[in-house]
Amino acid sequence: DTGVSQDPRHKITKRGQNVTFRCDPISEHNRLYWYRQTLGQGPEFLTYFQNEAQLEKSRLLSDRFSAERPKGSFSTLEIQRTEQGDSAMYLCASSVGTGQVETQYFGPGTRLLVL
Amino acid sequence: QKEVEQDPGPLSVPEGAIVSLNCTYSNSAFQYFMWYRQYSRKGPELLMYTYSSGNKEDGRFTAQVDKSSKYISLFIRDSQPSDSATYLCAMSARFRWLVFGQGTRLTINP
Repeated sequence: DTGVSQDPRHKITKRGQNVTFRCDPISEHNRLYWYRQTLGQGPEFLTYFQNEAQLEKSRLLSDRFSAERPKGSFSTLEIQRTEQGDSAMYLCASSVGTGQVETQYFGPGTRLLVL
Repeated sequence: QKEVEQDPGPLSVPEGAIVSLNCTYSNSAFQYFMWYRQYSRKGPELLMYTYSSGNKEDGRFTAQVDKSSKYISLFIRDSQPSDSATYLCAMSARFRWLVFGQGTRLTINP
């Protein structure tokens, strides 16, 4: 399977714990995006990378959130001191821009439940 | 006001019907328009991608963009029960992140 993969698919944690999610993009895709989706809503942008550089962060991304893409390949998203409001689906997407066209392909998501 | 508005439905139609899904937007910087399909507890799957105003057809799906009215549509012909899903419109400025609508939950009844 050469699509975007995410791990874990599901995570249940207690309030105050730290969690880390991993995203493996499609090979050779230089852009990687993180989105968050809550029930009944569309995904909302969190942050994105071009290669290893984090180029933009949403105001949604509080200081408790940190993302890395150390070698321009896989990425991790860490949430420290989780809160119940962090419960959501965390989606990763990757893309490669060619001329005018950039198509983002999404992974299956990591569903987080904070108790 | 949200940048992208989409009626969340739910929308329920009989098999074989033509389905029309719509979004409006307010940001003139949006140049790229997409429709994603999302099944329950899955990631969004790209259905259609358009860059310019006008129509684009792919099998039973037609995407329509009217930049002057800031309005996009997705039409599904000969709808099938397997088309039952949430349909998300999304748009972006060049090489920027996607801004999504709320999603429309669609059910096709056999």
